[in-house]
Amino acid sequence: AQSVTQLDSQVPVFEEAPVELRCNYSSSVSVYLFWYVQYPNQGLQLLLKYLSGSTLVKGINGFEAEFNKSQTSFHLRKPSVHISDTAEYFCAVSAAGGTSYGKLTFGQGTILTVHP
Amino acid sequence: DSGVTQTPKHLITATGQRVTLRCSPRSGDLSVYWYQQSLDQGLQFLIQYYNGEERAKGNILERFSAQQFPDLHSELNLSSLELGDSALYFCASSVASGGITGELFFGEGSRLTVL
Repeated sequence: AQSVTQLDSQVPVFEEAPVELRCNYSSSVSVYLFWYVQYPNQGLQLLLKYLSGSTLVKGINGFEAEFNKSQTSFHLRKPSVHISDTAEYFCAVSAAGGTSYGKLTFGQGTILTVHP
Repeated sequence: DSGVTQTPKHLITATGQRVTLRCSPRSGDLSVYWYQQSLDQGLQFLIQYYNGEERAKGNILERFSAQQFPDLHSELNLSSLELGDSALYFCASSVASGGITGELFFGEGSRLTVL
C-alpha cells in the first residue's frame, strides 16, 4: 500500500514570490507520482506527473516538481506565483505497473493562498 | 471542461434514504473511477470499472454499489444513508485500465448532503 503526506495544510504567499508545496510518500514498490489542483467548486485537474525518466518534471501553468527517490519526496515548485494560482493542491501516488488500475492515493491537500 | 459529466451537482436527502449518482466519462475513455472527498477522510478511492467490469475496489462501504453500463456511463448507488456519507463524490475517467500511465480526468463532483 502507498501513503502520501503533504507537510503543509496551508501556504500563504505574496504574488510574484516563489512557492514550494511539500509532498512525501511511502511505498514498498515503485510508484507513479502526480500533482493535481482543485479550484473552488471545480474538479481536480492534473498539473504534472512523474512516471519514469528525468526526475524533474514540468507541468502546466509554470509548475514543476522533482522526484527524489532517496528522500521519497515529490515537492511542487513555482518560481513566481499569481493570484490565479490560489487553489488547493493534492499530491497523489499509485503503484507503478502491475495491478494498480489507476487507484490513486491522495494526500490531505495544501491550500495555497496568493496575496496581492 | 474535463469532458466528464456528473449529475446531479447537488443533492440533499435524509438519513436512511437511497440516492444514485451518475457519471458520463470522456468520449473514448473506458475506465471510470469513483472517489469520495470529505473533510475528515480527504480524497478516498472507492471503486473502478473498465469497459463494464469491476477492476478495483477501495474503501467502499457495503451500503454503496456501482456499475458501468454498455454505453460506458456509470452510476454510484448509496443506500441507507448516514450523516457521515455527506461528501463530494467525484467521478474520473481514463482510457487505460491496469498499470496507469496516463491521466485521470475528473468531473466537477456531486455534492451529497444527508440531513
